[in-house]
Amino acid sequence: EDQVTQSPEALRLQEGESSSLNCSYTVSGLRGLFWYRQDPGKGPEFLFTLYSAGEEKEKERLKATLTKKESFLHITAPKPEDSATYLCAVQAGQGAQKLVFGQGTRLTINP
Amino acid sequence: NAGVTQTPKFRILKIGQSMTLQCTQDMNHNYMYWYRQDPGMGLKLIYYSVGAGITDKGEVPNGYNVSRSTTEDFPLRLELAAPSQTSVYFCASTGGRMGNEQFFGPGTRLTVL
Repeated sequence: EDQVTQSPEALRLQEGESSSLNCSYTVSGLRGLFWYRQDPGKGPEFLFTLYSAGEEKEKERLKATLTKKESFLHITAPKPEDSATYLCAVQAGQGAQKLVFGQGTRLTINP
Repeated sequence: NAGVTQTPKFRILKIGQSMTLQCTQDMNHNYMYWYRQDPGMGLKLIYYSVGAGITDKGEVPNGYNVSRSTTEDFPLRLELAAPSQTSVYFCASTGGRMGNEQFFGPGTRLTVL
């Protein structure tokens, strides 16, 4: 059974304090690992897709990396507007993009 | 483009009542999905569709039904609502520049009492 575990469950940082979120996964035949951002009361918003170990993607203060067992979302010099829940998901198998999500990391950036 | 739209935004049902959650996308995406999200949890796939007339079960389909008569619409039907179906429901479709981005609607918050 495909599984995704995210840690920590919650993280509180000061503005400018860099850190990383972890996403560990077990899946047979990874087709893609996805990161989403979710603001309170809203649907998830796509950030990145990673396909193979060693791949990296960047967007503003966020950088996602992938190994064979886990992915990291690095946040550099975060700002209060980066506060959100970050969700990780994996896709396995062929056909439709049936994602298996982790429970998320709730990130709070204090000014 | 409005993207993925969902109605209603909020609903309270009594045990045993039925309702349909509406989902529409205007991006001409073939793949559409329904998820539920319980407090502090990730999303779980209920049903998905790869095109008009084709649907299949996801991880947690019991108590739900879907239909897909057009590319744009993918309604989710709850029959005989139960307290365990209290959740936030998200509809999504797959597309984007690389064809791998799931676009989510704003969600429907359902409470069954």
